[in-house]
Amino acid sequence: NAGVTQTPKFQVLKTGQSMTLQCAQDMNHEYMSWYRQDPGMGLRLIHYSVGAGITDQGEVPNGYNVSRSTTEDFPLRLLSAAPSQTSVYFCASSNSRSHEQYFGPGTRLTVT
Amino acid sequence: GESVGLHLPTLSVQEGDNSIINCAYSNSASDYFIWYKQESGKGPQFIIDIRSNMDKRQGQRVTVLLNKTVKHLSLQIAATQPGDSAVYFCAEGRDVGGATNKLIFGTGTLLAVQP
Repeated sequence: NAGVTQTPKFQVLKTGQSMTLQCAQDMNHEYMSWYRQDPGMGLRLIHYSVGAGITDQGEVPNGYNVSRSTTEDFPLRLLSAAPSQTSVYFCASSNSRSHEQYFGPGTRLTVT
Repeated sequence: GESVGLHLPTLSVQEGDNSIINCAYSNSASDYFIWYKQESGKGPQFIIDIRSNMDKRQGQRVTVLLNKTVKHLSLQIAATQPGDSAVYFCAEGRDVGGATNKLIFGTGTLLAVQP
């Protein structure tokens, strides 16, 4: 199993541009989440999903959209990038019977 | 509001010593707590979890202690090794229909192991 994969690894955007961060898992996990990690801070939950077709907001959802059309994929969309969205983004997945979340390697995003 | 925080931002220990990383939480309604390890440039890695109705849980070289009276969580690492050098996060969560992926993370403690 590849586990949780994220693309791209690095991305630079200009203010106002849009893009999609990709996340995929091959463990048939029901739950998937997106977090952002800023320097000196812990991870903060952006959006999460408990299954295909079901998503909900986390702590910091503004400026981000998600969808979950399949069990495997959970893309995160930035509609109009802002410098405040410069961060490292992590995707995670878990099954409904465990608290153990598996994290991807992260995407480092810079917005200029 | 809810918060999960750490007492010490950096902990330096000698190889072979035991390490203790502390965490304070404020939400007494949390159902479980998790410790994660994050190495430089990587995503967090699950270490161990503990349910709120437990006081202690042991894993391989690690022990988590939960003191609900003072809302304190600690991670003990026995015989610390250079490979244990990383940032350690505590996180809290609540069960919704069995399990949940909605975690609140603390800010992290950097563990530096000196050879």
